[in-house]
Amino acid sequence: GAGVSQSPRYKVTKRGQDVALRCDPISGHVSLYWYRQALGQGPEFLTYFNYEAQQDKSGLPNDRFSAERPEGSISTLTIQRTEQRDSAMYRCASSYNPPQGTLGNEQYFGPGTRLTVT
Amino acid sequence: SQQGEEDPQALSIQEGENATMNCSYKTSINNLQWYRQNSGRGLVHLILIRSNEREKHSGRLRVTLDTSKKSSSLLITASRAADTASYFCATDASNFNKFYFGSGTKLNVKP
Repeated sequence: GAGVSQSPRYKVTKRGQDVALRCDPISGHVSLYWYRQALGQGPEFLTYFNYEAQQDKSGLPNDRFSAERPEGSISTLTIQRTEQRDSAMYRCASSYNPPQGTLGNEQYFGPGTRLTVT
Repeated sequence: SQQGEEDPQALSIQEGENATMNCSYKTSINNLQWYRQNSGRGLVHLILIRSNEREKHSGRLRVTLDTSKKSSSLLITASRAADTASYFCATDASNFNKFYFGSGTKLNVKP
């Protein structure tokens, strides 16, 4: 039970390798969000899920990026054939998000995964 | 883009003074949230204000929203050194709590 957890906390990988970043949301939270945050900038939306359904992936930079949440809980963000420009902090957030029509639930953020592509 | 933009980019004040940060956005929104981030750590939710609200308070925080001007402000009263952090506004124009964050205001409170 505590907050949103992410693993690994730090990942160093060589260019061209695939990486998988994991997010474990707060139990019972319907919605799960992935963000990327560059140094000195705010989080940039990548994609989000309601339960296991990916509702919006418009923020994924290109088709090397994909995400899944097969059982509506844990989610994995996968980056294939990593490039140096993928280096960033990747943050996950979850929110309770009641049924559509009731807006504005706060998002609880995880500590992030710092990805460095060398 | 509907992304919120904070102003100023950086703010330095003395402990005990008030700090005001502003957020402007481009499209109509359903709600707006303010978050705090300490030195590259996780983001902490501070306050949410809905589009039909004009002002909200939470402890030493006061948030206003002016939908006609597409702007919001965050006021921190009687600031403390521990308030030193980056503050972000996040706007949601969707029906699905999809938020866009600005680039933040970096607040430094000097003891």
